[in-house]
Amino acid sequence: EVHLVESGGGLVQPGGSLRLSCAASGFTFSTYAMTWVRQAPGKGLEWVSAISGDGVYTYYADSVKGRFITSRDNSEITLYLQMNSLRAEDTAVYYCAKNLRNGMATYDYWGQGTLVTVSS
Amino acid sequence: EIVLTQSPGTLSLSPGERATLSCRASETVSNNYLAWYQHKPGQAPRLLIYGASSRATGIPDRFSGSGSGADFTLTISRLGPEDFAVYYCQQYVGSPPITFGQGTRLEIK
Repeated sequence: EVHLVESGGGLVQPGGSLRLSCAASGFTFSTYAMTWVRQAPGKGLEWVSAISGDGVYTYYADSVKGRFITSRDNSEITLYLQMNSLRAEDTAVYYCAKNLRNGMATYDYWGQGTLVTVSS
Repeated sequence: EIVLTQSPGTLSLSPGERATLSCRASETVSNNYLAWYQHKPGQAPRLLIYGASSRATGIPDRFSGSGSGADFTLTISRLGPEDFAVYYCQQYVGSPPITFGQGTRLEIK
């Protein structure tokens, strides 16, 4: 059974940094692209970033480009999101999600999410 | 960037009724690369439909997706109490950015 478990969220001051992790199990992690999606309080879902199965290719929303870095360790079966220069508008629940299949950026498994709060 | 507009914003129905949710794209969604998700508070989003009309694994057949081009519909034929949630459409045409609609809240009347 597929499981995705996010961790690393918390309270951080504006301008600070945080690293989220997503531990995966139940599937061949290295063969699937992975994605981060967030939901700000009272708002809808927003795509944040994606990474190819081999980690070579990464993609970012304009709202986080240059500040966030997505990476993965296929030997540790873990996805990461390094968030720098955090802003109040980055406050959200962050979900990691598994792509349904390669070449198809729709997501069949999601974690429960981890809350990031950016506030002084 | 393809913008998705969902309607209505809120839909109030009773269990047993039929729900019809709309998702309109700002341009043609190639290959019908359109998905629908159900999201309940405190839970992970759940994939219902991909490719506009293919049900994801384990999704009951009361959920169906239809449409093509720029107009898509999610239909829930007979609402169960567990179906009241927020529903999002999502397009995944080509490379990012991937976009979601703003959501339709399905509430009990």
